[in-house]
Amino acid sequence: AQKITQTQPGMFVQEKEAVTLDCTYDTSDPSYGLFWYKQPSSGEMIFLIYQGSYDQQNATEGRYSLNFQKARKSANLVISASQLGDSAMYFCAMSDPGGTSYGKLTFGQGTILTVHP
Amino acid sequence: GAGVSQSPSNKVTEKGKDVELRCDPISGHTALYWYRQRLGQGLEFLIYFQGNSAPDKSGLPSDRFSAERTGESVSTLTIQRTQQEDSAVYLCASSLRVEGLAGAETQYFGPGTRLLVL
Repeated sequence: AQKITQTQPGMFVQEKEAVTLDCTYDTSDPSYGLFWYKQPSSGEMIFLIYQGSYDQQNATEGRYSLNFQKARKSANLVISASQLGDSAMYFCAMSDPGGTSYGKLTFGQGTILTVHP
Repeated sequence: GAGVSQSPSNKVTEKGKDVELRCDPISGHTALYWYRQRLGQGLEFLIYFQGNSAPDKSGLPSDRFSAERTGESVSTLTIQRTQQEDSAVYLCASSLRVEGLAGAETQYFGPGTRLLVL
């Protein structure tokens, strides 16, 4: 079974600074996908970034980058130049392409990020 | 274009009553997922639909939960004889399955239905 672990219940960062949100995963499948979603207080889930298990390079999307260390089974999210609007809950998730539910996502418990002015 | 929509946005019901939650996926998206999010928790997978294939119901917590989808359109999640532990946000997501990109399709989420069982 797949498992996602986010060990930081809460993180604080100063505006304009960079912050890293940790995510480790466990799977026996060689093929999988890793996602990060942002959930503001309004509740919607916003897709941020995707990393495939066979991708050679770390994914980047604007101020978001994913520090993918396959041997360590970690997929940390790095947010550069934090903004007040980045304050939200962040979820790491893994897809299971080899399973019966195809792209079903397994989520971690989330990290609440607070950006201070 | 329109995103995933869900209705109602909020639902308050009494223990023992049945509720029906609706999800309208993004047009053309073949895959549809239901998740449950309890307060302060991550999302739990409930059920998955892909086209006309048999759904994967492996995440449904009990036989009080059921879901239907006709083709690639609207889906309804029904909870019978609701219990207080069913109180949660129920989120629907859809994605476009692309051959050769297994597991890479981005799921787009609706705003959720907040269910409170008194």
